[in-house]
Amino acid sequence: LAKTTQPISMDSYEGQEVNITCSHNNIATNDYITWYQQFPSQGPRFIIQGYKTKVTNEVASLFIPADRKSSTLSLPRVSLSDTAVYYCLVGDMSGAAGNKLTFGGGTRVLVKP
Amino acid sequence: DSGVTQTPKHLITATGQRVTLRCSPRSGDLSVYWYQQSLDQGLQFLIQYYNGEERAKGNILERFSAQQFPDLHSELNLSSLELGDSALYFCASSVELSDTQYFGPGTRLTVL
Repeated sequence: LAKTTQPISMDSYEGQEVNITCSHNNIATNDYITWYQQFPSQGPRFIIQGYKTKVTNEVASLFIPADRKSSTLSLPRVSLSDTAVYYCLVGDMSGAAGNKLTFGGGTRVLVKP
Repeated sequence: DSGVTQTPKHLITATGQRVTLRCSPRSGDLSVYWYQQSLDQGLQFLIQYYNGEERAKGNILERFSAQQFPDLHSELNLSSLELGDSALYFCASSVELSDTQYFGPGTRLTVL
């Protein structure tokens, strides 16, 4: 069972790049890494998902080293509206018997003007 | 709006009672997931269903049970409620087992 750890909080300023790292030392072969954004009183919202190397979409990039024991979510040029809690999720979402999906504790990102 | 609906939005009940939370997945999604979010435990995976069958179990208590019906909606039943069960309960759905999960707005359960 992959245990995931993230920094509790990070502060940044508008226009800067924010990088959040998640550690998952016990990641299994079939596990994917997914990042979610959550605003107060709302459900988590999908940002990006990857298995290895680098994945990029219109809102973020995800860097996964070869050993896959960590991953880094990169948010380019953040704005005030990016202030939220960011979670990494590690697990095999194919529903393999006995599999559990493990969320990190969340990183509270505060973007300042 | 993710397309996943959950009812009720809020629920207040007493210890020892039983409640049922309902989730309607996005149209076409076959897989449903349930999560619990509390201040001290964070987001915890409870259980996953795919096309009516249980596929994976997480940290779900024996007092809790769930099912997915033929129309693909799902219900989470919580019984013998304790103060510590107070939390936000989220449902998520995905098209297939390994696809992106879309979360509903959650049900806030308060046990007094």
